[in-house]
Amino acid sequence: NAGVTQTPKFQVLKTGQSMTLQCAQDMNHNSMYWYRQDPGMGLRLIYYSASEGTTDKGEVPNGYNVSRLNKREFSLRLESAAPSQTSVYFCASRSRVEETQYFGPGTRLLVL
Amino acid sequence: AQSVTQLGSHVSVSEGALVLLRCNYSSSVPPYLFWYVQYPNQGLQLLLKYTSAATLVKGINGFEAEFKKSETSFHLTKPSAHMSDAAEYFCAVSGGRRALTFGSGTRLQVQP
Repeated sequence: NAGVTQTPKFQVLKTGQSMTLQCAQDMNHNSMYWYRQDPGMGLRLIYYSASEGTTDKGEVPNGYNVSRLNKREFSLRLESAAPSQTSVYFCASRSRVEETQYFGPGTRLLVL
Repeated sequence: AQSVTQLGSHVSVSEGALVLLRCNYSSSVPPYLFWYVQYPNQGLQLLLKYTSAATLVKGINGFEAEFKKSETSFHLTKPSAHMSDAAEYFCAVSGGRRALTFGSGTRLQVQP
């Protein structure tokens, strides 16, 4: 039982490049989330998915797109990276029974 | 809408001393409240949660928190700090779509 996994762990991009951050969970949770963490600001919600095939915007969705491919996987795409998207990105899934979110190890993204 | 305020971005205590990390919340609905801990370069780990049961909640590693509705607070305490407690701590409230709204975090330093 790996919990929530994220790839890659670290990535450097040039402004304007695109990339996809991958997230998968093996806990059979319906809800999944993408957050970004910036110094002094805690974590902020980018996108949310309540179930396979559904997604919804969070607090800071501009510049991002998401895909809920199936129940396990929820990917985050940057179509044209900007330096303001330099951050640490966390994926999480939520247990409805426990009312608890479980977090992945994060992806550190640097946009030059 | 929900919000979380963590008073003190940095807290320093001596080993063996009381740890008190402050969290105040705002919520338009009965809140679920959480404390997460983040060690350097790692993801977030749940310490404890309040989900409308007992107001005094015990978590892992000797931490506990008390939900006080009248004060809209959910402060985190530990009677005796250990060097291994040095980390960043986040208070969060669960709101719409059960997404989490986080405070800005408190970095705990433990002095020998």
